[in-house]
Amino acid sequence: EPEVTQTPSHQVTQMGQEVILRCVPISNHLYFYWYRQILGQKVEFLVSFYNNEISEKSEIFDDQFSVERPDGSNFTLKIRSTKLEDSAMYFCASKERGLYYEQYFGPGTRLTVT
Amino acid sequence: QQQVKQSPQSLIVQKGGISIINCAYENTAFDYFPWYQQFPGKGPALLIAIRPDVSEKKEGRFTISFNKSAKQFSLHIMDSQPGDSATYFCAASPSIGAGGTSYGKLTFGQGTILTVHP
Repeated sequence: EPEVTQTPSHQVTQMGQEVILRCVPISNHLYFYWYRQILGQKVEFLVSFYNNEISEKSEIFDDQFSVERPDGSNFTLKIRSTKLEDSAMYFCASKERGLYYEQYFGPGTRLTVT
Repeated sequence: QQQVKQSPQSLIVQKGGISIINCAYENTAFDYFPWYQQFPGKGPALLIAIRPDVSEKKEGRFTISFNKSAKQFSLHIMDSQPGDSATYFCAASPSIGAGGTSYGKLTFGQGTILTVHP
């Protein structure tokens, strides 16, 4: 069964450093997402990406964040200057088509900012 | 208005019992209501989903009940098993998002930690 993959599984970085989280969505999917989950809390939407551009973003997704789909398979989330409060699990998700189609989530990248 | 409120925060059920988790929403633009199951260290996985044009959907031991007028929906797990022990999230997605098109943004509830004792 096709699945969303994410690398690395765990990233430790120092405050102020840049990190890039990588995702490979399911190959025929058209909609891509990043969510984050702070330990013990709910999953929060960060950004959606469709047709090679950001389609929607949350208040969390400020100028420190950016997304890119550099080729036909990868989807990346960059945090330019990490803060302690960026420590969370980051999930990539993808969906084949519109509203009623399932979003498939990857296993997540645990980001620890020290 | 964008929130989805979920209760209870935690739930302990004996094997064979019924687990019931409730969610409520305010945003009338929400048009798709999935439930996700999450095991420790894993990403959320879709369990079952419902559209607002039906009041109930059943898949195996899992049933969603939907009350559009009350803006509430719930997950019922029949014959709960220890393997069902996980965190359950309700979620909702609008039919129309920012810019007039739905891109499928999911708003999640706070989650319910379900423990099923053998």
